[in-house]
Amino acid sequence: GQQVMQIPQYQHVQEGEDFTTYCNSSTTLSNIQWYKQRPGGHPVFLIQLVKSGEVKKQKRLTFQFGEAKKNSSLHITATQTTDVGTYFCAVSMDSNYQLIWGAGTKLIIKP
Amino acid sequence: NAGVTQTPKFQVLKTGQSMTLQCAQDMNHNSMYWYRQDPGMGLRLIYYSASEGTTDKGEVPNGYNVSRLNKREFSLRLESAAPSQTSVYFCASSEEAAGSPYNSPLHFGNGTRLTVT
Repeated sequence: GQQVMQIPQYQHVQEGEDFTTYCNSSTTLSNIQWYKQRPGGHPVFLIQLVKSGEVKKQKRLTFQFGEAKKNSSLHITATQTTDVGTYFCAVSMDSNYQLIWGAGTKLIIKP
Repeated sequence: NAGVTQTPKFQVLKTGQSMTLQCAQDMNHNSMYWYRQDPGMGLRLIYYSASEGTTDKGEVPNGYNVSRLNKREFSLRLESAAPSQTSVYFCASSEEAAGSPYNSPLHFGNGTRLTVT
């Protein structure tokens, strides 16, 4: 079936370092949503991208949608302990309006 | 507003037992969903209800049934639990069907941690 690849699976960073997760598809995407799940918690909606080349910012978080609408990234500048959790992308495709989830990228802050 | 409320929070079942997970939302959303989450596998859709009165299978519906009782409530039933159903179950809702042109974000409940022995 249709899949979306999210990488990396884990990222260990020192507090203050940057973090990036990528979501890639071989099929053109209609839109993409990003969610954050804290340890032991539930996914919480962060943002939605719809337009080709779109860039949105939320404080230290920058979200990008590729020009070809086949990939997206979430970048966190200067990570803080409050950023710890797993970040998921969820996409829908032009040919199929079902929502497909990436496997998530777990952000771990090194002690 | 409570948002999406799931009960119970934890449950332990023996193989072959049955149970119903309850979910209710107070946001007047049209669409509701049941997902399961297993380590390293992200979220997998079990069943969804795009609108009151309709239900459809998701990616992993085997072993489950659902009921959209009314616009607020969407329950998930395990008729004969199996160890493979050990997971965390999330209910979610959205204003319009996820993945539709209306692009509604999902609101999740706190989850039910189910163990089947």
